[in-house]
Amino acid sequence: DIQMTQSPSSLSASVGDRVTITCRASQIISNYLHWYQQKPGRAPKLLIYATSSLQSGVPSRFSGSGSGTDFTLTISSLQPEDFATYYCHQTYTTPEAFGPGTKVDIK
Amino acid sequence: QVQLVQSGAEVKKPGASVKVSCKASNYIFTSYGISWVRQAPGQGLEWMGWINTYHDNANSAQKFQGRVTMTTDTSTSTAYMELTSLRSDDTAVYYCARGGGGVAPLDYWGQGTLVTVSS
Repeated sequence: DIQMTQSPSSLSASVGDRVTITCRASQIISNYLHWYQQKPGRAPKLLIYATSSLQSGVPSRFSGSGSGTDFTLTISSLQPEDFATYYCHQTYTTPEAFGPGTKVDIK
Repeated sequence: QVQLVQSGAEVKKPGASVKVSCKASNYIFTSYGISWVRQAPGQGLEWMGWINTYHDNANSAQKFQGRVTMTTDTSTSTAYMELTSLRSDDTAVYYCARGGGGVAPLDYWGQGTLVTVSS
């Protein structure tokens, strides 16, 4: 089974900061890597699919990159509504797997 | 807009079963798979499995095999997930989501169903 890791597990940042979250897969997963945002008490929301494609309606300050086993989610200028937990998700093969999450909170 | 509406919260005793429903609307149900993901209190997301709504075949995580059954009713555009032999560590919010199945991301999610297992 493919294992997913994320770093950092949490970070504190200020509004306007550039934030980068890394996701690593234990095997090559091509570009079948997606990113979700989850706020407390809410269902996850798809932000980025297939490594770098922005889901409709998601602000352009969110971007994704990477290939093979190493992937990155970047928020170019953190906004108050971006404080949340972020998860990566591989769909290259079953069983699919999520990363453990990165919590972004206010510095 | 695409909607997935799940059934309400459940409280079950250890050893019992639970069946969660997920009613889809505003898209062609059989054009997308339905995935099931759960989240224990304070924990991350856990992939449970996926069902191909067109062919009605399912694939679940090994840890749930033998305990989970995923089905669909295409006449009502509803997916179901039944989990048997419940234990206290099955207490979680269970989500259905559109997509999955080896390629597709999960682009729409249900609101979640809290299943509490307690004696």
